[in-house]
Amino acid sequence: GESVGLHLPTLSVQEGDNSIINCAYSNSASDYFIWYKQESGKGPQFIIDIRSNMDKRQGQRVTVLLNKTVKHLSLQIAATQPGDSAVYFCAENNANTGFQKLVFGTGTRLLVSP
Amino acid sequence: DTAVSQTPKYLVTQMGNDKSIKCEQNLGHDTMYWYKQDSKKFLKIMFSYNNKELIINETVPNRFSPKSPDKAHLNLHINSLELGDSAVYFCASNKLAGGQETQYFGPGTRLLVL
Repeated sequence: GESVGLHLPTLSVQEGDNSIINCAYSNSASDYFIWYKQESGKGPQFIIDIRSNMDKRQGQRVTVLLNKTVKHLSLQIAATQPGDSAVYFCAENNANTGFQKLVFGTGTRLLVSP
Repeated sequence: DTAVSQTPKYLVTQMGNDKSIKCEQNLGHDTMYWYKQDSKKFLKIMFSYNNKELIINETVPNRFSPKSPDKAHLNLHINSLELGDSAVYFCASNKLAGGQETQYFGPGTRLLVL
């Protein structure tokens, strides 16, 4: 069945370090992937997305890597800041459906120490 | 100037009651969604509407009835509330029902059923 999972439920880093959050997905038909950041008491906030015809995409301080061979997605955050502390979710869109249906991973909590 | 807004932010009620949650987006999007986030932060889609028509119904109990009076609004009515309905409910929207358009989330409604 469809599933999106994360390897590490909690990631603790020091301010200034680079962070890598990983995500495994099982649906080879998925064609669109998104990373969301959720701060305490708030809704998920879009960070970056990537389509299946790409293997890398960069934003401001963030990079998403997609490896379709092993069905793996990662989010890299450069020079992590305390404000980056949040729960991060990956989500995949199942391309087999006619409409967008996002399947979310279980989330990884990122803790950044000053 | 909030893009996706929800009311109320908090809702505490007794088991067996009927309650409604409202969502509005001012982004001009065609598609709106309801998600449920449980106590373990797992985020799962419940419903999706495109131009006021239901397009996704993820085997949610029929005590939950979404209604879309126009494409900028998607409300969620819940009958005979149960303890297990306690969760955070998020509304989201995007421009197109299919394809690879980012979903934008509201701030959430925290429902506690006693």
